[in-house]
Amino acid sequence: AQKVTQAQTEISVVEKEDVTLDCVYETRDTTYYLFWYKQPPSGELVFLIRRNSFDEQNEISGRYSWNFQKSTSSFNFTITASQVVDSAVYFCALSSSNDYKLSFGAGTTVTVRA
Amino acid sequence: EAGVTQSPTHLIKTRGQQATLRCSPISGHTSVYWYQQALGLGLQFLLWYDEGEERNRGNFPPRFSGRQFPNYSSELNVNALELEDSALYLCASSLLPNSPLHFGNGTRLTVT
Repeated sequence: AQKVTQAQTEISVVEKEDVTLDCVYETRDTTYYLFWYKQPPSGELVFLIRRNSFDEQNEISGRYSWNFQKSTSSFNFTITASQVVDSAVYFCALSSSNDYKLSFGAGTTVTVRA
Repeated sequence: EAGVTQSPTHLIKTRGQQATLRCSPISGHTSVYWYQQALGLGLQFLLWYDEGEERNRGNFPPRFSGRQFPNYSSELNVNALELEDSALYLCASSLLPNSPLHFGNGTRLTVT
């Protein structure tokens, strides 16, 4: 069985602060994929990043960065110098090469105050 | 490129009725997924269709069903509606299994 845990329910920061979202996953599969999605107040889920289980290289995209560590089964997401537009619910998700079903964490609501 | 489109945007039904939700994937995408996002329950996987066939199903009762048409569009049917079926139903499509999912704006179903 696959499981994704996002322990942080809500995070509130002031603009320009950094915010790190934790994601811990469980799977018995050796080949799997990890994702992050953003759901702004408008409701549409927006894809941010995908990582496969064989690629532990960290990634930076503008103000976003991701830290994948297989040793701790974690795939954390950091927003640097947060902006009000970053306010959204962020979901971490996991799928495997066996069933392709995307399992989502409960989500973390990020509120960035001006 | 047009994104995933879902209709209707909102749907209000009474308990016991049937609801039909529709989804058109991104052109070229053959896989369609349905998710339920109910308050306090997060995103729950419902169904996955690929090339017209149901490939996987989440932990939902049989009154949740659907199909995928030859043009890869899909519909989700919910029979004998219950109050707890009230939720946002999200459709997504992907080019290949395990490719990133592209989501529509959802259908907000309210059961009274």
